[in-house]
Amino acid sequence: QKEVEQDPGPLSVPEGAIVSLNCTYSNSAFQYFMWYRQYSRKGPELLMYTYSSGNKEDGRFTAQVDKSSKYISLFIRDSQPSDSATYLCATQRPGGGNKLTFGTGTQLKVEL
Amino acid sequence: GAGVSQSPRYKVAKRGQDVALRCDPISGHVSLFWYQQALGQGPEFLTYFQNEAQLDKSGLPSDRFFAERPEGSVSTLKIQRTQQEDSAVYLCASSPQRQATNTGELFFGEGSRLTVL
Repeated sequence: QKEVEQDPGPLSVPEGAIVSLNCTYSNSAFQYFMWYRQYSRKGPELLMYTYSSGNKEDGRFTAQVDKSSKYISLFIRDSQPSDSATYLCATQRPGGGNKLTFGTGTQLKVEL
Repeated sequence: GAGVSQSPRYKVAKRGQDVALRCDPISGHVSLFWYQQALGQGPEFLTYFQNEAQLDKSGLPSDRFFAERPEGSVSTLKIQRTQQEDSAVYLCASSPQRQATNTGELFFGEGSRLTVL
């Protein structure tokens, strides 16, 4: 079993829809949680970073962590075609340097 | 340049050949990472440098893989006697933080896509 599980999709939604992307993780030692966005043939770029449980909002994006169920989510409001990309969740242990454990990524397509 | 630069962007190698992949991190970044991303998968950690010191190489899949960062800036990932299972995108990332700081802010390059025939 992988330490971080993520549905690979693809997920296709109409423009303006609310998108929900999810990951589960198995190691309770993980304390830091990130969402990266990766466009085709590009490197991942950091979208959101959260520590422990709770919500964090940044514009149209909301990251949510539920440590009791080891579940992390990313919500995208008013989705745009430019949001079409692969979204990777990632986790990190305290004292683990910047070594990240990534999920497989969910491919999202926002259609006009 | 402003970002992490990797070369070559694309490399085709015959099975058994040696390859070298180069990474130019963002100037002044202390930490440098190599990740391997197979098709349809997330990046998998290979190795980590803090300046010129290789502090973690636990992700290197075999002794055919070797990485160095001799002057604490440019890094090279070398793969000897390439095998078909080595086909992947090799991503380099850098970070201004040292190991003790956890922010998840890694700046990735566009990757070197290796195809082994």
